[in-house]
Amino acid sequence: AQSVTQLGSHVSVSEGALVLLRCNYSSSVPPYLFWYVQYPNQGLQLLLKYTTGATLVKGINGFEAEFKKSETSFHLTKPSAHMSDAAEYFCAVSDRDGGTSYGKLTFGQGTILTVHP
Amino acid sequence: KAGVTQTPRYLIKTRGQQVTLSCSPISGHRSVSWYQQTPGQGLQFLFEYFSETQRNKGNFPGRFSGRQFSNSRSEMNVSTLELGDSALYLCASSLGPTGGTDIQYFGAGTRLSVL
Repeated sequence: AQSVTQLGSHVSVSEGALVLLRCNYSSSVPPYLFWYVQYPNQGLQLLLKYTTGATLVKGINGFEAEFKKSETSFHLTKPSAHMSDAAEYFCAVSDRDGGTSYGKLTFGQGTILTVHP
Repeated sequence: KAGVTQTPRYLIKTRGQQVTLSCSPISGHRSVSWYQQTPGQGLQFLFEYFSETQRNKGNFPGRFSGRQFSNSRSEMNVSTLELGDSALYLCASSLGPTGGTDIQYFGAGTRLSVL
């Protein structure tokens, strides 16, 4: 079964500093990869996804992530943090096998990002 | 375009009761997935429906069930509620036919409290 590990349940940065949120997946066949953000009392919003092609993926709000097959990783970065980036971030995967992938995302445990002024 | 709408936003029930949650997907989306979010277990997949058929199911007991209507709206039902069913229940919709690459769009959730 797929599993996703997000290293660090809490990350704290200063405004303007680099944001790095880590995500590793477990499967031998690289899955489809997603990053979502959740603000308080809201649902999840897609930041970016990787399915195939270029391994550096750019998303909304200045975020990007790089797929590294050799490291089974898909870390999320942003060069300069804003106060509005404070939220919980989830890495998620979906199987490439059609049967088991329908509608199913497997999520990591989430990382709460705090941004200090 | 309207987003995914979940009703009600908040529910309080007592143990042993049953509950029905509703989800209206984005217009044109035919797939609806349901997730349970708790502080301890995180986000867990419940099931997915496409064109009124359940295509995928997570590891939850039979007390959790769902259905989808011809207009793609979906409901999930939890019978014989337990304290551990207290959670945020999220619904997500997607176009559906391709499965894994689809982007899922989430509603704001229904927060269920079981007393």
